[in-house]
Amino acid sequence: EAGVVQSPRYKIIEKKQPVAFWCNPISGHNTLYWYLQNLGQGPELLIRYENEEAVDDSQLPKDRFSAERLKGVDSTLKIQPAELGDSAVYLCASSISSGTYEQYFGPGTRLTVT
Amino acid sequence: TQLLEQSPQFLSIQEGENLTVYCNSSSVFSSLQWYRQEPGEGPVLLVTVVTGGEVKKLKRLTFQFGDARKDSSLHITAAQPGDTGLYLCAGEETSGSRLTFGEGTQLTVNP
Repeated sequence: EAGVVQSPRYKIIEKKQPVAFWCNPISGHNTLYWYLQNLGQGPELLIRYENEEAVDDSQLPKDRFSAERLKGVDSTLKIQPAELGDSAVYLCASSISSGTYEQYFGPGTRLTVT
Repeated sequence: TQLLEQSPQFLSIQEGENLTVYCNSSSVFSSLQWYRQEPGEGPVLLVTVVTGGEVKKLKRLTFQFGDARKDSSLHITAAQPGDTGLYLCAGEETSGSRLTFGEGTQLTVNP
């Protein structure tokens, strides 16, 4: 069974440019998460989807970040415009459902904003 | 958001030594998970503890959930270089299904 797929793995952009990350969760997983992880820190939740509905986006900086999960499968996270402080690893995870279910993480996208 | 503090932040030991990593909070969690993350990869779940006082063993790793479900520990016996990685605890908040991660413990086991 394929794991969570993320692309690209690495992205370098100049500040003020837009950037998008893509995630394909494990087949059959209804819940999808986007996390931000700074170097040497634990992941911080940005947004959680139940199927195509964003049920927890309270920590998503909505002035520059947006996300969508059309059809309740793949998801895209966008930043526009990017700032220097956005440099981090963006992790996507999925689980069968919310609650005490194992979250399976993708390898992440390492974003560098110059 | 409920906070989790991990200690120590960094740990460098020799192969064969024992170690304990701590995860503490002033808040109660519905459950607590431990993950291990290697460079360039996402975290991988090691264990989930749900009941206060619960102890789970995974080969040389022993996980304990505090009686009050506010803290947890991970003990590794006879550490090996393959145990090197970032160990993260994550608590499921009682108010919802959000996982709050600790800052992690970076473990290095030297041969």
